[in-house]
Amino acid sequence: EVQLVQSGAEVKKPGESLKISCKGSGYSFTNYWIGWVRQMPGKGLEWMGIIYPGDSDTRYSPSFQGQVTISADKSISTAYLQWSSLKASDTAMYYCARHPPYSSGWVRFDYWGQGTLVTVSS
Amino acid sequence: EIVLTQSPGTLSLSPGERATLSCRASQSVSSSYLAWYQQKPGQAPRLLIYGASSRATGIPDRFSGSGSGTDFTLTISRLEPEDFAVYYCQQYGSSMYTFGQGTKLEIK
Repeated sequence: EVQLVQSGAEVKKPGESLKISCKGSGYSFTNYWIGWVRQMPGKGLEWMGIIYPGDSDTRYSPSFQGQVTISADKSISTAYLQWSSLKASDTAMYYCARHPPYSSGWVRFDYWGQGTLVTVSS
Repeated sequence: EIVLTQSPGTLSLSPGERATLSCRASQSVSSSYLAWYQQKPGQAPRLLIYGASSRATGIPDRFSGSGSGTDFTLTISRLEPEDFAVYYCQQYGSSMYTFGQGTKLEIK
């Protein structure tokens, strides 16, 4: 069974750093992309970026380039999303989601993590 | 950046009725690169349709997708109580993914 299990909720202060995780299981972690999606309170879905754990090829949305860092450790089948200095506006639910190789010809996020709620408040 | 505009913003219908949700793109989108997701309160999104018209694994056949170019449609033939949720379309183009703003399907 394919599963993406994300780390738990976080409460941080502005200016603090944070790294959240997404662990994949039930499939070949290195053969699928992992994307990150933000959902601010009461709002829609925003794509942040995507990584291919097989070779760490990473692409960012222009809106998030330079604001976050996406990485992966294929030895433990885990992808990460990190911030070096959080802002109150980073308060949101963050989802990771699996994406098949582009060579498949299909574009879809077919399995999703349960989400990690990040709250940034002084 | 391709902008996806979904309509209506809110759709009020009764169980058993037919729902038609629209997703319009600001530029032409490859059908292979158009997907639909369902999100219920407190849950992660769930893939419904990919490639504009292919149902994802386990999705009931009352859900169907159609369209091409700049106009895409998600149809739910006979609404079940569990179908009331928010629906998002998504596209991929120029190495970017974008989502529509969502259509909330509510019980009338």
